[in-house]
Amino acid sequence: EDKVVQSPLSLVVHEGDTVTLNCSYEVTNFRSLLWYKQEKKAPTFLFMLTSSGIEKKSGRLSSILDKKELFSILNITATQTGDSAVYLCAAWYGGSQGNLIFGKGTKLSVKP
Amino acid sequence: GAGVSQSPSNKVTEKGKDVELRCDPISGHTALYWYRQSLGQGLEFLIYFQGNSAPDKSGLPSDRFSAERTGGSVSTLTIQRTQQEDSAVYLCASSPRISSGNTIYFGEGSWLTVV
Repeated sequence: EDKVVQSPLSLVVHEGDTVTLNCSYEVTNFRSLLWYKQEKKAPTFLFMLTSSGIEKKSGRLSSILDKKELFSILNITATQTGDSAVYLCAAWYGGSQGNLIFGKGTKLSVKP
Repeated sequence: GAGVSQSPSNKVTEKGKDVELRCDPISGHTALYWYRQSLGQGLEFLIYFQGNSAPDKSGLPSDRFSAERTGGSVSTLTIQRTQQEDSAVYLCASSPRISSGNTIYFGEGSWLTVV
C-alpha cells in the first residue's frame, strides 16, 4: 500500500528554537516529494524535491530528500510564532497520470 | 481565474440531505483533485481528473460520493444522503499537466458540517 508517514504528529517549541520535521514514503514509481504549510484551510506550497541530496532553501526553511532511505526532512531555524502551522508532506507517484498522496501532517506550535 | 475557487466556503446540512460542492480550477490547468480533511487529520485523496482521461475514483469512500468535471474545467463533488462522518473540509486543487512535475495549488476549501 502506498503511504506517506510524518513524524512527529505534533511539536511545541519556543521562539528561536530549530525544528526538524520528518517524512518517510513508500510509493510505487516515485516522482517527487512536496512540502506544504497549512495555517487555515488552503495548504501553501513550500518545496518540491526530486533529486537526492540537493538541499532546497527558502529563508529559514530548508529541505532535503534521501531517495535511498525514502525520506525527507524539513528544517526550520530560529522559529517564529508565525511558523505555527500544520506542515504537510506529499509524494508524487505513479504511472502516466500519477497521483499525490499526503501524510497526516505535523502540527507545529511555536510559543513566544 | 487567479486561483482555485471553491464554493460554498461553509455548508451546514441535515443528515440524509444531498450536497454539492463546486470547484473552479486555475485557468489552463488540466489536472483537478478533490481531497477531504477531517479535523486534525491529513489530506485524504478522493478523486482526480486529468484532461479527457477517465477520472481516478479510487479514493471515493462510498457510492454516496461522486464527482464530475464539465468541459475540462469546473468540477462538482456530490455527496448523497450525507452522514455525520462526512463532516470535513473538502479541498480542491489543480495543476498543469502532471508529467512536468508541477506542484498543485489548493483552493480555500468547503467546510461541510452534517448535523
